[in-house]
Amino acid sequence: KAGVTQTPRYLIKTRGQQVTLSCSPISGHRSVSWYQQTPGQGLQFLFEYFSETQRNKGNFPGRFSGRQFSNSRSEMNVSTLELGDSALYLCASSWPTSEANTGELFFGEGSRLTVL
Amino acid sequence: DQQVKQNSPSLSVQEGRISILNCDYTNSMFDYFLWYKKYPAEGPTFLISISSIKDKNEDGRFTVFLNKSAKHLSLHIVPSQPGDSAVYFCAASDVGANNLFFGTGTRLTVIP
Repeated sequence: KAGVTQTPRYLIKTRGQQVTLSCSPISGHRSVSWYQQTPGQGLQFLFEYFSETQRNKGNFPGRFSGRQFSNSRSEMNVSTLELGDSALYLCASSWPTSEANTGELFFGEGSRLTVL
Repeated sequence: DQQVKQNSPSLSVQEGRISILNCDYTNSMFDYFLWYKKYPAEGPTFLISISSIKDKNEDGRFTVFLNKSAKHLSLHIVPSQPGDSAVYFCAASDVGANNLFFGTGTRLTVIP
């Protein structure tokens, strides 16, 4: 069974640009979450999608947005990039449920974004 | 506001000895707790979890203890092996939530 796939794995952008990251969940998983990992901050929750609907959003500015497609694939977008957006962005998927996901998340390897 | 805290950024243990990783939380609504392990250049992988109705959960060499009154949990690894060297993240979720709150991680080094 293929794991969570994130593309691109590495990318470099300059301040003011925008970036789109992609995530393909494990087949059959309908919930996709995004997390930002920075040194000293651990993993910070960005948002979670289930059946194309954003169910929950973390404490990030509106420059961070996401969406989920009917095939459960998800994208996140960061506009007007700032130096502080440099981080590892992790996508995670979990088993289908219409209720809260309090179980195991399966993470991808992440997309490492560097903003110059 | 870090609701899940791992106050030890690093820990070194001799192979064969016990590793104890600690985690504290502040939100009394948290009812489910997990530990994830992360190797460099890989995403975190689930290790073990515990519900708030329990105070201990064991899986092979890994045991998680939960002390609700102290809002504290710990992960015990016995015996520690060099392959256990990784960053360990503690995570928690509250009732009805769709997201996990993670700690900042503890880097465990098991010395052969």
